[in-house]
Amino acid sequence: AQTVTQSQPEMSVQEAETVTLSCTYDTSENNYYLFWYKQPPSRQMILVIRQEAYKQQNATENRFSVNFQKAAKSFSLKISDSQLGDTAMYFCAFLGTNAGKSTFGDGTTLTVKP
Amino acid sequence: GAVVSQHPSRVICKSGTSVKIECRSLDFQATTMFWYRQFPKQSLMLMATSNEGSKATYEQGVEKDKFLINHASLTLSTLTVTSAHPEDSSFYICSARDRGGSNQPQHFGDGTRLSIL
Repeated sequence: AQTVTQSQPEMSVQEAETVTLSCTYDTSENNYYLFWYKQPPSRQMILVIRQEAYKQQNATENRFSVNFQKAAKSFSLKISDSQLGDTAMYFCAFLGTNAGKSTFGDGTTLTVKP
Repeated sequence: GAVVSQHPSRVICKSGTSVKIECRSLDFQATTMFWYRQFPKQSLMLMATSNEGSKATYEQGVEKDKFLINHASLTLSTLTVTSAHPEDSSFYICSARDRGGSNQPQHFGDGTRLSIL
């Protein structure tokens, strides 16, 4: 079974600075998909970024980028120029090609301080 | 973008009441929907996978007679909490995946906060 580990329960960053959230996973599959979701205090889950394992290029979405290290099974999220609205709980998720459901990490609560 | 509508957003009711929560995919078809339960500051706990036209697949430890799931169409799944008790109070979230492919991300509803008095 796949497992997803987020080793940082809580993190904080000053507004406008950069922060990196870590995520590691364990799988025997070669093709799979990785996602980062954001859950602000409103509790709605929002897809932030996705990465296909067969792509070597790291995904980027505006201020959000990932550092995908397939051999190390690591999938960290970098948030540049942090904004107060980035304050949320962030979940890393793994989806295998044959599995119907995603496996979620325990989440990292990020607080952006003014 | 893909939108999932979950209704109601908040329910407060007496112990013993049955509560139905709806999850709709508004602009895509979802053969599979997922139901999660989430406690404060914790991760999502998958309760069951809802498959259109067939029985739901429940995770270990989840009572299927307590949490009834119906997925009658490609755009609607319902979760009914039967004879709810205070320990059922929680935040319930549904999500759906576009039938377009196994690589599609899950799109989430806004959640339902259930409070049983």
